[in-house]
Amino acid sequence: DGGITQSPKYLFRKEGQNVTLSCEQNLNHDAMYWYRQDPGQGLRLIYYSQIVNDFQKGDIAEGYSVSREKKESFPLTVTSAQKNPTAFYLCASTHRRGGEETQYFGPGTRLLVL
Amino acid sequence: AQRVTQPEKLLSVFKGAPVELKCNYSYSGSPELFWYVQYSRQRLQLLLRHISRESIKGFTADLNKGETSFHLKKPFAQEEDSAMYYCALSRNRDDKIIFGKGTRLHILP
Repeated sequence: DGGITQSPKYLFRKEGQNVTLSCEQNLNHDAMYWYRQDPGQGLRLIYYSQIVNDFQKGDIAEGYSVSREKKESFPLTVTSAQKNPTAFYLCASTHRRGGEETQYFGPGTRLLVL
Repeated sequence: AQRVTQPEKLLSVFKGAPVELKCNYSYSGSPELFWYVQYSRQRLQLLLRHISRESIKGFTADLNKGETSFHLKKPFAQEEDSAMYYCALSRNRDDKIIFGKGTRLHILP
């Protein structure tokens, strides 16, 4: 199923709390991405990492933080500064071969604010 | 800035009728374009890319640089085609992929 796992499937956050979403891949992909999926908004890029120990902000990075200490892991922290965190979060990694690239997506984590 | 536009949020088509999901992009260079699909209760996955010029599940998409479009087409819709479809653009191999807002395709029996 693509070798990308996300956990947990559902996550509940209290007001003012930081929560961390896990994303792991065993595909040996260099690049990893975090998207937020909202109805009518499509996929919006939060952060991406092209290589270990390096990452860049996407279009909606405010209120989020990431780390990329290992090639296979790209955790996303939703901080208390994110005012509207309720959403479906998708992690992806990219395979590039012969000039072609393909993004492989995880199953997603649904974050709900209590 | 680069942008991908999918003008239809929802498209309803009768089974057996032709399907066309519209996608327009804005980018002055030579982009790499994709269609991704998300079936109910399944992961988002690549459907096809313009470089491959392939037909997947009966779908094709032709890059029209003059009209900056990459519409997805299928001559005869099937019920299993019902899904969310995203058009996406990449400027080069080392850059992020930009997604459109998606079109939900609903095939009517």
